[in-house]
Formats: sequence, C-alpha cells, structure tokens
Amino acid sequence: AQSVTQLDSHVSVSEGTPVLLRCNYSSSYSPSLFWYVQHPNKGLQLLLKYTSAATLVKGINGFEAEFKKSETSFHLTKPSAHMSDAAEYFCVVSPEPSGSARQLTFGSGTQLTVLP
Amino acid sequence: NAGVMQNPRHLVRRRGQEARLRCSPMKGHSHVYWYRQLPEEGLKFMVYLQKENIIDESGMPKERFSAEFPKEGPSILRIQQVVRGDSAAYFCASSPGNNEKLFFGSGTQLSVL
Repeated sequence: AQSVTQLDSHVSVSEGTPVLLRCNYSSSYSPSLFWYVQHPNKGLQLLLKYTSAATLVKGINGFEAEFKKSETSFHLTKPSAHMSDAAEYFCVVSPEPSGSARQLTFGSGTQLTVLP
Repeated sequence: NAGVMQNPRHLVRRRGQEARLRCSPMKGHSHVYWYRQLPEEGLKFMVYLQKENIIDESGMPKERFSAEFPKEGPSILRIQQVVRGDSAAYFCASSPGNNEKLFFGSGTQLSVL
C-alpha cells in the first residue's frame, strides 16, 4: 500500500523569496516520486521525477526536490519565486520506477500563491 | 502538436441526467487514462484504455460509469443518472505506450445540481 500527504493545502510567498512545498509519503516498496504542476486552465505537467538515482532531483523552471528516506519526505523547493510559479502542485508516488499510470497515488495538491 | 484536449471544460448536470466527457489524446498516443479528483482529494485512477479496448477499469465504479476509446474519435467517459457525489474534476491523460510519460489534459469540472 502507498499513500502521499501534502502538508499544506495553500502556500503564499512573496516574489523573490524561497518556496517550500512539503510532501510525505508511505510505500511498501522503494518508490518513485514525482511532482506535477497545474497552471490555471492547463493540464498537469511533470516538474521532476525521482527513481532511486541521485537523491537531489532537479526539475524544470528552477525547482528541485530532495528524497529523504529516513524522513519519508520529498519536499519541493525553489530558491526564488516568480509570479509565473503560481499554480497547483501535486506530489505523486508510484511503487515502481516505471511509474505505471494505473498505480500512481496523488496528493491532494498545494495551491501556491506568489505575491508581488 | 496540440496537447491532450478535454471538453467541455465545465459541465453542469441535474441529478438523473447523463454526463459525457470527451478526451482527445495527443497525436500518436494510443493509451488513455481517466482520473477523478473529488474535492479536497488527490487524483484517483479510474480506467485505462487503448484503441477499442478497455485494459483496466479497476478504479471505475461498477454502476452508471462507462468508458470507450473508439478507433476513430475521442475517448468518452459516460456517467449515467448522475448524483451529487459525482461532482468532481475528471482528468484524462495519454501516453504513446504503457509505462511511458503521461501528458494530461486540463480536466472537466462536473457539477451536479
């Protein structure tokens, strides 16, 4: 069994300040972990993916996430927020590296607001 | 290459009516997945289809829900006799093959009055 918890449903930051979106997971396997972003009126887009290689994963648009097995966490960070980062972010876990779409477990999402 | 197209963007139905949600996958993609997102919850897998075949419908309610992906045309998710509990965002995703990168549509928000 697997589950994923996004600890904050809403996060607000000022433009130019760091972003931290928190995600904790549980899995009976060595999981693969993903972050997806959904901008208004757009489909979900893959930001980054962890599949048991390097624990620090770099994604698009300056985002990165660190896999911490001891803490069962996969938090998403960005050093400096941009207005265009305002969106909803989903943390996702899969029980296998191939990430079969049928086995993905999605978090409930974190809405990121960026203030000018 | 257009992305995954879902329509309508918003759909309002009264209890007992039928809802038809459409998904056109990316060009060249023959694998389609439907997910449902209930309020305050994450996306949940419903059904996986390839052209003219339902491969896995383990996440779909046994009654009132059906899906198809015909040889020509979009994939359709059909909900008969809708109830208030069907109100949710329905997302479609496509991929060129099994276990390959998913591309998502922007979803259909179904509201049942």
